[in-house]
Amino acid sequence: KQEVTQIPAALSVPEGENLVLNCSFTDSAIYNLQWFRQDPGKGLTSLLLIQSSQREQTSGRLNASLDKSSGRSTLYIAASQPGDSATYLCAALGRGGSYIPTFGRGTSLIVHP
Amino acid sequence: KAGVTQTPRYLIKTRGQQVTLSCSPISGHRSVSWYQQTPGQGLQFLFEYFSETQRNKGNFPGRFSGRQFSNSRSEMNVSTLELGDSALYLCASSFGLAGATDTQYFGPGTRLTVL
Repeated sequence: KQEVTQIPAALSVPEGENLVLNCSFTDSAIYNLQWFRQDPGKGLTSLLLIQSSQREQTSGRLNASLDKSSGRSTLYIAASQPGDSATYLCAALGRGGSYIPTFGRGTSLIVHP
Repeated sequence: KAGVTQTPRYLIKTRGQQVTLSCSPISGHRSVSWYQQTPGQGLQFLFEYFSETQRNKGNFPGRFSGRQFSNSRSEMNVSTLELGDSALYLCASSFGLAGATDTQYFGPGTRLTVL
């Protein structure tokens, strides 16, 4: 059974810092890994999707990497802004005929001015 | 392009009742997935429908069911509600089967409270 862990659970940083959020998964046989953002009381917004054959994806100030062999993914946020404050979740999509995603519990990020 | 819409946004029910939640996907999307989010268990996959057929199912009891209509709109039903069913229920749509290559777009969710 796939298990996804996100560290740290919470993070508070001053504006302008570069951040690294971590996601680890127990079963490396995945189709892809996706990073989402969730604002309080709202649904999820997809940030980056990394296919199992890829090593990283970039979008603006965000960069996500995937290392299947070690069961890890990292989300790098450059020059953080108060608007980046949200909960960040990662989800691993399983293989073996199963398209069931397993989500981590998330990292709650606060960027203060 | 309108996003994923879910109705109702908030719902209060009592134990033993049943409830139906609705999800309208983005126009042209054929896949609808449902998720349950609770403080205790986090975000968990319920099921996915594609072209009116259930394609994947998570580990939830049979009290949780769903269906998809020919216009891709989907409904989720929970029968014999329990206190533990209180949660934010999220719906997500994608053009193809969720995952592999297609990004999912999430609705704002329905907040269900069971008293």
